[in-house]
Amino acid sequence: GQNIDQPTEMTATEGAIVQINCTYQTSGFNGLFWYQQHAGEAPTFLSYNVLDGLEEKGRFSSFLSRSKGYSYLLLKELQMKDSASYLCAVMDSNYQLIWGAGTKLIIKP
Amino acid sequence: EAQVTQNPRYLITVTGKKLTVTCSQNMNHEYMSWYRQDPGLGLRQIYYSMNVEVTDKGDVPEGYKVSRKEKRNFPLILESPSPNQTSLYFCASSSLGQGFSGANVLTFGAGSRLTVL
Repeated sequence: GQNIDQPTEMTATEGAIVQINCTYQTSGFNGLFWYQQHAGEAPTFLSYNVLDGLEEKGRFSSFLSRSKGYSYLLLKELQMKDSASYLCAVMDSNYQLIWGAGTKLIIKP
Repeated sequence: EAQVTQNPRYLITVTGKKLTVTCSQNMNHEYMSWYRQDPGLGLRQIYYSMNVEVTDKGDVPEGYKVSRKEKRNFPLILESPSPNQTSLYFCASSSLGQGFSGANVLTFGAGSRLTVL
């Protein structure tokens, strides 16, 4: 079966750095997405990786290793507004998105 | 403003009373999809549509119907709602462009919280 694994919850301190991991086992691979979802709100797009390596976008970076079935989202200079759930999703060989259950990130002052 | 609009945002209903959740997008997107989100389970796809008059089942289609008569609208119909359909529902859309790629970023509606008693 297809599976996406992420930690359920993480806690970090304002101003620090946090890494949220995502491992996947899917039928084929056509890219990996990260979305941010604040409580009670819609998910919003953060990043897309289809080739191995690091994609940097401001305070957020996303890394992919296709051979290991692994990705991480790196958040730097954490701000209170970064408190949210972070969803990892993989596009499989049928171009369907397989979603992880999400990682709830709690930022403490 | 480019957006996906869902209605109603909140609804409490009773078992067996048919209801429709509307979804409309103003971005001329080909692809539209319905998801439900339950604690600890992540987003699960109910139905999706690649274009007008083309719909396909997702992972959890039982108890739901959809239609795609116009490009902008993709209503979700619960013919006979049951308590296990209590959930947070999201409609989403994306362009298909040259095919599936990183351009297929989903734009989500604000969500519809449904409670079936």
